[in-house]
Amino acid sequence: QQNVQQSPESLIVPEGARTSLNCTFSDSASQYFWWYRQHSGKAPKALMSIFSNGEKEEGRFTIHLNKASLHFSLHIRDSQPSDSALYLCAGSHYGNEKITFGAGTKLTIKP
Amino acid sequence: EAAVTQSPRNKVAVTGGKVTLSCNQTNNHNNMYWYRQDTGHGLRLIHYSYGAGSTEKGDIPDGYKASRPSQENFSLILELATPSQTSVYFCASGDARDSWEQYFGPGTRLTVL
Repeated sequence: QQNVQQSPESLIVPEGARTSLNCTFSDSASQYFWWYRQHSGKAPKALMSIFSNGEKEEGRFTIHLNKASLHFSLHIRDSQPSDSALYLCAGSHYGNEKITFGAGTKLTIKP
Repeated sequence: EAAVTQSPRNKVAVTGGKVTLSCNQTNNHNNMYWYRQDTGHGLRLIHYSYGAGSTEKGDIPDGYKASRPSQENFSLILELATPSQTSVYFCASGDARDSWEQYFGPGTRLTVL
């Protein structure tokens, strides 16, 4: 069974700073990776996905995947108070089976 | 936009009672999922389905049953509810056409007294 570890558990950063969230997978056969964002009291919503080694940038958000080290990260530049949320990383083997989520990182951006 | 709805949104049940949580999706996705979310555990998969008539066990299926009578509907059934099943339950749908992105419903907060 896939094991997904996220770090840190919680993080407080000032507005405008760069934020880095980390995720480690136990299964090298994982092929599909996502970051989900969940605002308080709301449903999780996919933020970004990546299916091969490398980097992907969308606006202020960059994700980086290194399958050899089983490491997946999310970087946010110019953090905004609206970025405050629970961030969940997730992965699966083939995309059509069960997806495993990490426990999440609670991010708070202080104005 | 993809839409997943859940009912009820809040439910208070008694220990030993039967609880049914319902989920409906209008995305025409083949796969549907039930998760529970507890502080410190993230989202844990209870049951999932590949299509109408199919149900598969997830990582924590004990104490839960699932039913997928149609492409659109997926139910989670607690035959004998226990206080340990107090949680927030999320339904989701996904499909290869959307690169397996999971679309979540708004959640059901279940309290078992």
